[in-house]
Amino acid sequence: LAKTTQPISMDSYEGQEVNITCSHNNIATNDYITWYQQFPSQGPRFIIQGYKTKVTNEVASLFIPADRKSSTLSLPRVSLSDTAVYYCLVGDRNDKIIFGKGTRLHILP
Amino acid sequence: GAVVSQHPSWVICKSGTSVKIECRSLDFQATTMFWYRQFPKQSLMLMATSNEGSKATYEQGVEKDKFLINHASLTLSTLTVTSAHPEDSSFYICSAREGRTTNEKLFFGSGTQLSVL
Repeated sequence: LAKTTQPISMDSYEGQEVNITCSHNNIATNDYITWYQQFPSQGPRFIIQGYKTKVTNEVASLFIPADRKSSTLSLPRVSLSDTAVYYCLVGDRNDKIIFGKGTRLHILP
Repeated sequence: GAVVSQHPSWVICKSGTSVKIECRSLDFQATTMFWYRQFPKQSLMLMATSNEGSKATYEQGVEKDKFLINHASLTLSTLTVTSAHPEDSSFYICSAREGRTTNEKLFFGSGTQLSVL
């Protein structure tokens, strides 16, 4: 079973900030949180990774509270091209990389 | 960033034939590679994990004799779908990482759409 829980889908409008929250109640001490983006008929691509507090790169920000049981991916000023599926992953001690259902983000004009 | 090349992008084959999909890490050595399959509107399903030089570890329900995985070098892994049938039609995706720790980020191929007639 996937170790993460995300909303199945979200809609937003161009220019808005979008926040996608992921729940990972059983995250282990050594686990990092990683987010991937997937467009239709393409392989996923890495967006951002973090361990605690806040991480920011040129694409997104990742907010992780002190208990690390959840995380929020923040996409600033989204555009139509941000329409994609976003996956939140945490480490697995069995060396497997298991994807949850992801969040289908639909950006409207 | 690191690049993973996957070929072919799409393939159409007749039922009963075998199809080979290649996954190459172009600018790094991939100690571990993963193979996934994905049906429309669904998430990626892990099929197997392969470490260079050793046999692949298959997920429950994945037939190892049907989905042959070879990871003979640090830059190449192949997935062969043997005696393909229409129910094997799917989008197959490989991914690679340089090390063995699960916290390392993955680099994905662009996927292969397999259609079995």
